[in-house]
Amino acid sequence: GQQVMQIPQYQHVQEGEDFTTYCNSSTTLSNIQWYKQRPGGHPVFLIQLVKSGEVKKQKRLTFQFGEAKKNSSLHITATQTTDVGTYFCAGRNTGTASKLTFGTGTRLQVTL
Amino acid sequence: DTGVSQDPRHKITKRGQNVTFRCDPISEHNRLYWYRQTLGQGPEFLTYFQNEAQLEKSRLLSDRFSAERPKGSFSTLEIQRTEQGDSAMYLCASSADNPGHRNEKLFFGSGTQLSVL
Repeated sequence: GQQVMQIPQYQHVQEGEDFTTYCNSSTTLSNIQWYKQRPGGHPVFLIQLVKSGEVKKQKRLTFQFGEAKKNSSLHITATQTTDVGTYFCAGRNTGTASKLTFGTGTRLQVTL
Repeated sequence: DTGVSQDPRHKITKRGQNVTFRCDPISEHNRLYWYRQTLGQGPEFLTYFQNEAQLEKSRLLSDRFSAERPKGSFSTLEIQRTEQGDSAMYLCASSADNPGHRNEKLFFGSGTQLSVL
């Protein structure tokens, strides 16, 4: 079955440093979404990427979808303590209409 | 309507007992999903409904798990003869229908934390 892996599992940065998490799927995806889960909270939708090579920005966050539509990345510039949480990518196979498979997640800790 | 509601927030049960959880999706959403999440892991897909029809069920789901959405609104997830390995956060999510699912984003509830003793 489809597997979606993320690296690193955990990263601890000082406020102001940059952060990147990478997402790799075992199968080609029709689209990829990113979610953020704060400690004790539930996943909250951040963004969706659909096109091969697509890049989207949300303030300090930059999302990229690979050319082969099997990988993606999220980069945060100048992290803040409000960025703390776990970031999940989630993808849909090209042949599966609705099942969204979540990645293993990257937990980000930011300290002053 | 303020979002996806799940009840109860916490459930403690003894091994072998049956439990049932409820999810009320956002009112205009016709798709409803159940996921399970354990500590340090990503949400794991369990099953999915479009209106009242259960369209997909994870092969990982044993026969002890059953879900319903009788009128296409709220949904229930029942676990029979619970085992300690069932301990997890059970998350419900809903989404609005759109052609080709190209812009379908999931709205999650706060989840039901199940502890099986």
